[in-house]
Amino acid sequence: IQVTQSPSSVSASVGDRVIITCRASQNIGDYLNWYQHTPGAAPRLLIYSASSLPIGVPSRFTGDGSGTDFTLTISSLQPEDFATYYCQQSDTTPWTFGQGTKVEI
Amino acid sequence: DVQLVQSGVEVKRAGESLKISCKGSGYSFSTHWIAWVRQMPGEGLEWMGIIYPRDSDARYNPSLQGRVSMSADPAIDTAYLQWNSLKASDTAMYYCARQIATGTGWFDTWGQGTLVTVSS
Repeated sequence: IQVTQSPSSVSASVGDRVIITCRASQNIGDYLNWYQHTPGAAPRLLIYSASSLPIGVPSRFTGDGSGTDFTLTISSLQPEDFATYYCQQSDTTPWTFGQGTKVEI
Repeated sequence: DVQLVQSGVEVKRAGESLKISCKGSGYSFSTHWIAWVRQMPGEGLEWMGIIYPRDSDARYNPSLQGRVSMSADPAIDTAYLQWNSLKASDTAMYYCARQIATGTGWFDTWGQGTLVTVSS
């Protein structure tokens, strides 16, 4: 299953609302997860099962969608949110990641 | 705290063998699947495979074409990723990650990464 993210990069400012989309090549239900990856750090789980927020992840991150089309929304961008974001499908192995979306200042 | 701690930076030559490790703490290591994820230079994340430490049941990404093997030693809460003959194309950052529950396919805890550089 292929997952395609868009855009590949986005320039934004603190306080902006940012939306990243992920499209799967076939129906994956809600088996879609999102990660944040900052250079030099380990990836961090942001959203699982399309819309569930792990404990400790700020509520400005929201996930939505099902089937083939999904979104990650950052409601008010904070300085620590400048990073690369990946979606990942966990419907069918081999699990696959999107190519990433870099959120830049 | 739940933690995964990986072994350190490796610099190798093509043709050499290598085994990197991932040690878990703060949870029942043997009953949580451990995945390996690769990030090649300038690229995104790639799922390599997953292993269940209790019985070493392992699943691999077919794209790896049998070039790596995963293993685990639950007695010391450690998982391994191994190559018998490295290639320059194996140069990458390698992460281990814990799958929170069987079948979920998402990873709540990640290691800090092991950078592997292979020269030709």
